[in-house]
Amino acid sequence: NAGVTQTPKFQVLKTGQSMTLQCAQDMNHEYMSWYRQDPGMGLRLIHYSVGAGITDQGEVPNGYNVSRSTTEDFPLRLLSAAPSQTSVYFCASSPQDQETQYFGPGTRLLVL
Amino acid sequence: DAKTTQPPSMDCAEGRAANLPCNHSTISGNEYVYWYRQIHSQGPQYIIHGLKNNETNEMASLIITEDRKSSTLILPHATLRDTAVYYCIVRATFGNEKLTFGTGTRLTIIP
Repeated sequence: NAGVTQTPKFQVLKTGQSMTLQCAQDMNHEYMSWYRQDPGMGLRLIHYSVGAGITDQGEVPNGYNVSRSTTEDFPLRLLSAAPSQTSVYFCASSPQDQETQYFGPGTRLLVL
Repeated sequence: DAKTTQPPSMDCAEGRAANLPCNHSTISGNEYVYWYRQIHSQGPQYIIHGLKNNETNEMASLIITEDRKSSTLILPHATLRDTAVYYCIVRATFGNEKLTFGTGTRLTIIP
């Protein structure tokens, strides 16, 4: 199993540009989530999904959209990037019981 | 309000046991204690979790006090690769309660 994969690893955007951060898992996990991590801080939950077709907001959802059309994929969309969205983004997945979460390697995003 | 309190940083000599404390005085009966760690520039990694009994796996041991108000993660023979930020998290495993990461303890293993 590849586990949780994220692309791209690095991205530089200009203010106002849009992009999609990709996340995929091959463990048939029901639960997937997106976090952001700013320097010196813990992870903050952006959006999550408990299964295909179901998404919900986390702690810091503003400026981000998600969809879950398949069990495997959970993309995160930035419709109009802002410098405040400069961060490291982590995707995670877990089985339905959510006992453990498996994290991807992260995407480092810089918005100028 | 934070559910857990951890020291911001700790040092441990290589080869010795690293004992990382965590206070969770407001833990409720259905909440488990989880430990994750984050090695520099990587995604967090699950270590161990428990409810009230002590737990051990290939990575670490988790000691939970009888009143469940605090716990200690033990890395029995720390290596340089154990240098990381360690997060103690309490959450219920049913429903949709999320993992809430605080700022954790930055553990540095000294050669």
